Amino acid sequence: DAGITQSPRHKVTETGTPVTLRCHQTENHRYMYWYRQDPGHGLRLIHYSYGVKDTDKGEVSDGYSVSRSKTEDFLLTLESATSSQTSVYFCAISDPVDRGFSPLHFGNGTRLTVT
Amino acid sequence: QKEVEQDPGPLSVPEGAIVSLNCTYSNSAFQYFMWYRQYSRKGPELLMYTYSSGNKEDGRFTAQVDKSSKYISLFIRDSQPSDSATYLCAMSFGGYQKVTFGIGTKLQVIP
Repeated sequence: DAGITQSPRHKVTETGTPVTLRCHQTENHRYMYWYRQDPGHGLRLIHYSYGVKDTDKGEVSDGYSVSRSKTEDFLLTLESATSSQTSVYFCAISDPVDRGFSPLHFGNGTRLTVT
Repeated sequence: QKEVEQDPGPLSVPEGAIVSLNCTYSNSAFQYFMWYRQYSRKGPELLMYTYSSGNKEDGRFTAQVDKSSKYISLFIRDSQPSDSATYLCAMSFGGYQKVTFGIGTKLQVIP
């Protein structure tokens, strides 16, 4: 699993509550990503980070925020969870070297249910 | 039209068969092409990636890219029940640029 740990693995929460998911890597990779995976949509990028305190939005960033205070940790926060955010969330890492390309390596995901 | 199209299947084959998995794409600027395997309740695992056109082989797996047709394929020879998984294609312009994924094809190899 390329040294990526996601926590928690499963979470059930109520609509309107804040939720924070954590991704921890031991590979010292510069880039970290949060994706969500939903049937019929595949993997969609929420936010990514290209260094400590450097983050940017992906294609489905509304309702989510991120923070990266250390190279190894990338947090995803759902500010006020909604049922449409029920999904499986994956963290990924990469470290572009070869011609500036590095494939993504994924964690095993967090299954989030918003009731 | 989605940037990357992939038939979700499911695709069922007998053990030992040659499996062909495919994706088409619309953006000719994609340079890197990846295949991931995802077992149930696990994260996607990189199988292989190629740069631009051509073939790449790794054991029983062969990836092909035809940029003129905007078509990529993954072939699995001598398929095994352990190959039963969802296979995701993915594409990138390179570097830290965004990776675009297909929705995945679910494969079942019957013993």
